[in-house]
Amino acid sequence: DTGVSQDPRHKITKRGQNVTFRCDPISEHNRLYWYRQTLGQGPEFLTYFQNEAQLEKSRLLSDRFSAERPKGSFSTLEIQRTEQGDSAMYLCASSLAGIYGYTFGSGTRLTVV
Amino acid sequence: GQQLNQSPQSMFIQEGEDVSMNCTSSSIFNTWLWYKQDPGEGPVLLIALYKAGELTSNGRLTAQFGITRKDSFLNISASIPSDVGIYFCAGQLQSGGSNYKLTFGKGTLLTVNP
Repeated sequence: DTGVSQDPRHKITKRGQNVTFRCDPISEHNRLYWYRQTLGQGPEFLTYFQNEAQLEKSRLLSDRFSAERPKGSFSTLEIQRTEQGDSAMYLCASSLAGIYGYTFGSGTRLTVV
Repeated sequence: GQQLNQSPQSMFIQEGEDVSMNCTSSSIFNTWLWYKQDPGEGPVLLIALYKAGELTSNGRLTAQFGITRKDSFLNISASIPSDVGIYFCAGQLQSGGSNYKLTFGKGTLLTVNP
């Protein structure tokens, strides 16, 4: 297992389009997290799964955002009706329960034009 | 929400110099973490600190968890060009048995002049 994998690495979309990102965590990790990072800022928490259950969503995650983790394996993050303010790096991370300091993926950079 | 103040925002140093950066919080954390991020990549964990007062080293890196649990610092000794990147502090607070969410600082951009 080579770590947390995210796809695509880059996405350019027109405003109003829907986009979906995928994250494949480290296989034995039961926790999966999504963060968003804008230029000049640290990552900000979006949502968190333990196995297939989504246990918390940040207020940053508007109704246009939805995340899933079917069967507790990979996860998808969908943004509907994208806006220019959605442009950011979307980071996925995973960990084992009780272990601090997650492993991050390389991120998906979204540009909304 | 919680805010982490990380300083300095940026540093430009000569190869071989030592570097120090720190992070302060308005509230306490149970765990402090230091990450490094290269351009276009995700953050990579450098050091994790679990107890107030703890001093931990990882090669040329040394970090400490402040006694008040509201601050941490990271030192890099004898810097080399590959130390270039953005360094982030992050705090984690256990709440009701869960220990998941990280709060990040805004980062310190380190540039090393060979």
